[in-house]
Amino acid sequence: DVKVTQSSRYLVKRTGEKVFLECVQDMDHENMFWYRQDPGLGLRLIYFSYDVKMKEKGDIPEGYSVSREKKERFSLILESASTNQTSMYLCASSPPGLPGSEAFFGQGTRLTVV
Amino acid sequence: AQSVTQLDSQVPVFEEAPVELRCNYSSSVSVYLFWYVQYPNQGLQLLLKYLSGSTLVKGINGFEAEFNKSQTSFHLRKPSVHISDTAEYFCAVSDQPNDYKLSFGAGTTVTVRA
Repeated sequence: DVKVTQSSRYLVKRTGEKVFLECVQDMDHENMFWYRQDPGLGLRLIYFSYDVKMKEKGDIPEGYSVSREKKERFSLILESASTNQTSMYLCASSPPGLPGSEAFFGQGTRLTVV
Repeated sequence: AQSVTQLDSQVPVFEEAPVELRCNYSSSVSVYLFWYVQYPNQGLQLLLKYLSGSTLVKGINGFEAEFNKSQTSFHLRKPSVHISDTAEYFCAVSDQPNDYKLSFGAGTTVTVRA
């Protein structure tokens, strides 16, 4: 069974902290994504990666960075957490090849910044 | 980037009644279209997708969707819903045929009542 695992389901962090959200997939997928989910806004793409050490900005990259040192792991970093980054964060992966491939999602990390 | 509009944010429906969730997208160029479902406290999973061919697409759990190019729509339907269909549903579109990124709508929450 395919799996995308996010390291935490719930996190509470203080304003100004550096926050790491970890995501691991066991499907040998090249593509990995970080989304942010907010009520009424759906999912918005923060960053994505097509391969190890490669990253590209999505629609809302400000305040975030990413790291992909190994194929199976894609980390989202909040350099200095702020209250407006309180949200649900979803990681996803998809296989290479033809576009239109299914994206597989983790269960999400609900981050609260206080 | 694509703009995806889900016309209904909340859809209450009685068990065994039909349901239709509406989705429109902004571009008339070739696109790939998807419906994902998010059950409570879970990540997203693929319901169905349209890549090419027949405009009527069948998915899992009895759902189907119809692609209408002239109206740039991809509405989701189920003839008879169950309590277990209570979830949030997201329409998504890929920007270009060779683009792996998805643009999501804001989501439609379906609540099935007995």
